[in-house]
Amino acid sequence: EAQVTQNPRYLITVTGKKLTVTCSQNMNHEYMSWYRQDPGLGLRQIYYSMNVEVTDKGDVPEGYKVSRKEKRNFPLILESPSPNQTSLYFCASSPWRVAKNIQYFGAGTRLSVL
Amino acid sequence: GQNIDQPTEMTATEGAIVQINCTYQTSGFNGLFWYQQHAGEAPTFLSYNVLDGLEEKGRFSSFLSRSKGYSYLLLKELQMKDSASYLCALRSNDYKLSFGAGTTVTVRA
Repeated sequence: EAQVTQNPRYLITVTGKKLTVTCSQNMNHEYMSWYRQDPGLGLRQIYYSMNVEVTDKGDVPEGYKVSRKEKRNFPLILESPSPNQTSLYFCASSPWRVAKNIQYFGAGTRLSVL
Repeated sequence: GQNIDQPTEMTATEGAIVQINCTYQTSGFNGLFWYQQHAGEAPTFLSYNVLDGLEEKGRFSSFLSRSKGYSYLLLKELQMKDSASYLCALRSNDYKLSFGAGTTVTVRA
């Protein structure tokens, strides 16, 4: 089954404790992206990657890191989480440079930073 | 940069029609998408427009006017399961995707 898998689904942590949210896709998509979703603000892009070893900042990259060492994986790293990073996070993937590059989303990770 | 506006909430009756408008300003248009998101779930793709005009897909249709920076999503024969948020998303020339804040549609019996 074609899918984007995020782990964990739920995470409660404390300020300053490094964490990683994993994202993996099995559709051989070049493009992967991380979004955060907050009430009233919609989905905002954190980072995106157009292919292996190519990453770019989205609209809200501060406080986050990503890496793309393999095509299928795109982890999101919070080196020192803060309470303002409490949010719902989605990973997405899509084919690259096709007219209708539909984004396929993971189920989401709900993060609370205390 | 991109600026996307859509209404926050809409309410309609089962069996009715609802039109969700999306206006945008962008420096480089390269496609407009509509996604549906049920509460607590991931967004799923509904429709795509890159040329002016209407795209019809069952009960859902989407319209685009690039000169006016305007799109709408039309939901016909509303069903209770259509209660969800509807997200307008703009793709720019660098294939970056920007989302509007979403319109929450509530369908009442």
